[in-house]
Amino acid sequence: GAVVSQHPSWVICKSGTSVKIECRSLDFQATTMFWYRQFPKQSLMLMATSNEGSKATYEQGVEKDKFLINHASLTLSTLTVTSAHPEDSSFYICSARGSTGGGQPQHFGDGTRLSIL
Amino acid sequence: AQSVTQLDSHVSVSEGTPVLLRCNYSSSYSPSLFWYVQHPNKGLQLLLKYTSAATLVKGINGFEAEFKKSETSFHLTKPSAHMSDAAEYFCVVTLPTPNTGNQFYFGTGTSLTVIP
Repeated sequence: GAVVSQHPSWVICKSGTSVKIECRSLDFQATTMFWYRQFPKQSLMLMATSNEGSKATYEQGVEKDKFLINHASLTLSTLTVTSAHPEDSSFYICSARGSTGGGQPQHFGDGTRLSIL
Repeated sequence: AQSVTQLDSHVSVSEGTPVLLRCNYSSSYSPSLFWYVQHPNKGLQLLLKYTSAATLVKGINGFEAEFKKSETSFHLTKPSAHMSDAAEYFCVVTLPTPNTGNQFYFGTGTSLTVIP
């Protein structure tokens, strides 16, 4: 149980392109979804937290106009990297949680490798 | 204040020998603690979690961790390493937040190498 599907797993595109990444909870309703960025050999950096039907809460230093997050349903959140540039190349990971209880783990997607040429 | 410290950035063990990955936390609250494993170019997989029940927690793939409040530790162990255990391991502690429930705080990760 608690499967999170992230798509696509790998994207290569030209500078200036906008890229959309989808995160779906397959067998549970995700009240909260998280988007992370991970640089090589480093830990995960939280970019934003989104609750279904609400605006996302962005971490300090993350441009909300650059990284658009939509969480329109309890099973789907999307991250759109707008006008992507080479410095946006990274590994992006989403996670989902079914409730806000303290003992509830986050369930992670397999990540999206984004490469901007 | 809330933080989590993974004491070793890299651990190497021989196949068949015990694994110890260390994690210490600081928290003003009763924490929930998790260990996740990440294989290359993959997301994170939950190994085990502690949520104020039994202090010795058993997880998947033969891993277990013991919550020691007096030492503020939650070290991950496995009696016998397997080649497939080679991966990055993250210790995570949660802190209650007003708007989003509980926020996760990740350790910096420990890279485990298993030598044949």
